[in-house]
Amino acid sequence: EDKVVQSPLSLVVHEGDTVTLNCSYEVTNFRSLLWYKQEKKAPTFLFMLTSSGIEKKSGRLSSILDKKELFSILNITATQTGDSAVYLCAGYNNAGNMLTFGGGTRLMVKP
Amino acid sequence: GAVVSQHPSRVICKSGTSVKIECRSLDFQATTMFWYRQFPKKSLMLMATSNEGSKATYEQGVEKDKFLINHASLTLSTLTVTSAHPEDSSFYICSARAGGLGEKLFFGSGTQLSVL
Repeated sequence: EDKVVQSPLSLVVHEGDTVTLNCSYEVTNFRSLLWYKQEKKAPTFLFMLTSSGIEKKSGRLSSILDKKELFSILNITATQTGDSAVYLCAGYNNAGNMLTFGGGTRLMVKP
Repeated sequence: GAVVSQHPSRVICKSGTSVKIECRSLDFQATTMFWYRQFPKKSLMLMATSNEGSKATYEQGVEKDKFLINHASLTLSTLTVTSAHPEDSSFYICSARAGGLGEKLFFGSGTQLSVL
C-alpha cells in the first residue's frame, strides 16, 4: 500500500522566517510528487516534481525531490501571513494511476 | 489552468435525506474524476474513482450503496450521499484529471455537508 508521510504536522512561525516542510513517500511505480496548498477550501497546485535534484521555484516557494532517499522538501522563504495554510504532498503511482496524499503540514505565520 | 466547479458549496440536511453533490469540469473533458472526504484538520481521503461511462471504483471501507457515484458525461460526476446521518457530516472534494495533463489534478471548491 502506498504511503506518504509529512512532517511536521504543524508549524508556527513569524513573518519573515524561512520554513522547510518535509514529505517522504513509499509509492510503487512512482512517477511524480506533487505539492498543494490548501487554505479554506480546495487545494491549489504548487509543484509537480519528477526528476531528482532539480529545484522548482515559484516566487518565495521552492521544492526539490530526492528519488534515492524518497523524499521531497518544500521551502518557503520570507514567509507572509498569506502563506498560512495546510500544505499537502502527494505521490503518484503510475501503474495504479492514482495519487496518495500525505497528512499535511499546517503552517501558521504570525505577524 | 483547468477549472473544476463543485456544487453546492454548503448543504445542511436532516438525517435520513439524500444529498447530491455535482462536480463539473468547465473547460476540459475529464475521463476520470476523484471524490475525497476530508475531516477537520485531516488530509484528503480518497473515497472513489469515477470513470466516465463505467462503474466507480471504491476504496476499501467506503460503502458503495451509501455513496452513489455517477459519471454520466465527460464533464460531470455526481456523488449522492444516501440516507445521510450525522456521521456523514464532512467536507467532500472532487477533483478531475484533464486527459493530457497526467497526474496533475484540478480540484473543485468542496462541499461542506452537515447532517442534523
